[in-house]
Amino acid sequence: GESVGLHLPTLSVQEGDNSIINCAYSNSASDYFIWYKQESGKGPQFIIDIRSNMDKRQGQRVTVLLNKTVKHLSLQIAATQPGDSAVYFCAEYTGGFKTIFGAGTRLFVKA
Amino acid sequence: GAVVSQHPSWVICKSGTSVKIECRSLDFQATTMFWYRQFPKQSLMLMATSNEGSKATYEQGVEKDKFLINHASLTLSTLTVTSAHPEDSSFYICSAINSGRTGGTQYFGPGTRLLVL
Repeated sequence: GESVGLHLPTLSVQEGDNSIINCAYSNSASDYFIWYKQESGKGPQFIIDIRSNMDKRQGQRVTVLLNKTVKHLSLQIAATQPGDSAVYFCAEYTGGFKTIFGAGTRLFVKA
Repeated sequence: GAVVSQHPSWVICKSGTSVKIECRSLDFQATTMFWYRQFPKQSLMLMATSNEGSKATYEQGVEKDKFLINHASLTLSTLTVTSAHPEDSSFYICSAINSGRTGGTQYFGPGTRLLVL
């Protein structure tokens, strides 16, 4: 079936460095993608989204890139901080606002 | 704004009992809510779509008679795990879409951890 997957299950970065989390999706008809952050024992928190008519969107310290040709998403976090340590999920919207989540990447930030 | 709450935040029950979990949108109306289940170190798995005033739509493999969903108002959806067993132990998360806004952004609740003994 359709799926959204991640290349790396874990990522460890030094505080202050930039982080890049990658995601591959398989549903070429998806037109809306979201990145979520989930801290231990909590629900997912919206970080940033992007529609398929864009290839880049920037937020505060975060940037999402979309490459529709290869069906690839990435989340870039600038100047990673200890508070950024969490599991990050990419997700795609299918019809009727249903969301399919990727496997997740755990980000460790070393002080 | 856009706060979603869940109650209880955690629950421990004996095998065979039923457990009800509430999901509330506190400052917006939600005609559509979603229920997810998340096992340790795994992703969120969509269980069902809860529609206000109508029957829920269940994902393939989710037993509708075991996971009863009621969306009786624009701010409340409930998930009842009937005759719970240890394998039902999981983290249950709901989300809601603000009916009054376009875009369909989902706002997630904090989750309910269920432990069935």
